Amino acid sequence: QKEVEQNSGPLSVPEGAIASLNCTYSDRGSQSFFWYRQYSGKSPELIMSIYSNGDKEDGRFTAQLNKASQYVSLLIRDSQPSDSATYLCAVSEGFSGNTGKLIFGQGTTLQVKP
Amino acid sequence: DAGVTQSPTHLIKTRGQQVTLRCSPISGHKSVSWYQQVLGQGPQFIFQYYEKEERGRGNFPDRFSARQFPNYSSELNVNALLLGDSALYLCASRSGTRDSPLHFGNGTRLTVT
Repeated sequence: QKEVEQNSGPLSVPEGAIASLNCTYSDRGSQSFFWYRQYSGKSPELIMSIYSNGDKEDGRFTAQLNKASQYVSLLIRDSQPSDSATYLCAVSEGFSGNTGKLIFGQGTTLQVKP
Repeated sequence: DAGVTQSPTHLIKTRGQQVTLRCSPISGHKSVSWYQQVLGQGPQFIFQYYEKEERGRGNFPDRFSARQFPNYSSELNVNALLLGDSALYLCASRSGTRDSPLHFGNGTRLTVT
């Protein structure tokens, strides 16, 4: 059973701080890794994708990937109350590069307090 | 550009009934995937279609079926509804090139009573 593990939280940080969200996965063949943000009652929204080991930055967001450790993380700098949401880590299955079938973690709830 | 559109947005059904959910992908996207999200959990993969052919099926019973049409829109059918089928059903599309990300629609909230 291929799995993606996330701490469900809630992770609470003060406004302006760095929020660090973590994810581990079991499928060594996975090639593509995504972070989605989901506000309560809404659908997941893609915020970051990463395919190679190392860091990828996009605005206030940085995704980090370590395939040897099977570990993905998301850093949110200068956290804002509007960042309060559930963050879903998603991993593609196997070596195919087919990202139509993603395995999701249960999500980490982030609370940013003013 | 229009995103992934799903209909209906909400649906209430009785146990034993059948339901059909509809999805239109982003223009130019040929691959559609369906996911079920139960409250408090991450989405679970149900089906993937590419160029009208099934390319993957998740661990769901045969009561769940789907198809993709020549215009790349898709339908998800669930027969003999159970209370446990109550969930948010998400449709997502991607362009079909390797590593292309999934983009989700707003979902259909299904309640089975």
